[in-house]
Amino acid sequence: DIQMTQSPHSLFASVGDSVTISCRASRGISTYLNWYQHKSGEAPSLLIYGASTLEDGVPSRFSGSGTGTDFTLTITGLRPEDFATYYCQQAYNPSITFGGGTKVGIK
Amino acid sequence: QVQLVQSGTEVKEPGASVKISCKTSGYTFTGYYLHWVRQAPGQGLEWIGKVYPSGSPSFHAQKFQGRVTMSTDTSTTTAFLELRSLTSDDAAVYFCARDHYGSGKFDFWGQGTLVSVSS
Repeated sequence: DIQMTQSPHSLFASVGDSVTISCRASRGISTYLNWYQHKSGEAPSLLIYGASTLEDGVPSRFSGSGTGTDFTLTITGLRPEDFATYYCQQAYNPSITFGGGTKVGIK
Repeated sequence: QVQLVQSGTEVKEPGASVKISCKTSGYTFTGYYLHWVRQAPGQGLEWIGKVYPSGSPSFHAQKFQGRVTMSTDTSTTTAFLELRSLTSDDAAVYFCARDHYGSGKFDFWGQGTLVSVSS
């Protein structure tokens, strides 16, 4: 299986801040990398697919980049509704794997 | 509109089996894989496996080998996950999710089903 490692495990920021979350794959996955937002008690929601393509309806303050083994999710100008846990997910290998998650909390 | 509606909370004893349903609507059921993902308390998301309603074999993570069955009923556009020999480690919220044209991106999700395992 391909292991997905996210960092940091958690971070604290203020409304208006910009934050970056990293995701590293144990081997190259091209751009078969998706990002999800997950709020407690809700289903996860797709933010970005193909490493950098914004899902329909997702605000442009979210952006993704990377290829191969290293990827980032950036939120530019945090809003109150963005405080959540974020997961990367590789779709390169049929045995799909998620990163461990990054919790974005309020400072 | 696309909807995935899951069955309700389950409380099981260790060693028992659980079968969760995921009723879909709003799209062509036979055209999309459905995946199952779970989240144990305090843990991250864990992929369980996927099933294709048009009859191709399902595929699951190795750790569930021998314990999991994923199936579909095209007449009711419903997917099912059965997990056997439950232990406390299986206590989690289980989600179904639609795979967008087999791309591995999960564009629609069920609301989640809580499975508790306790004697």
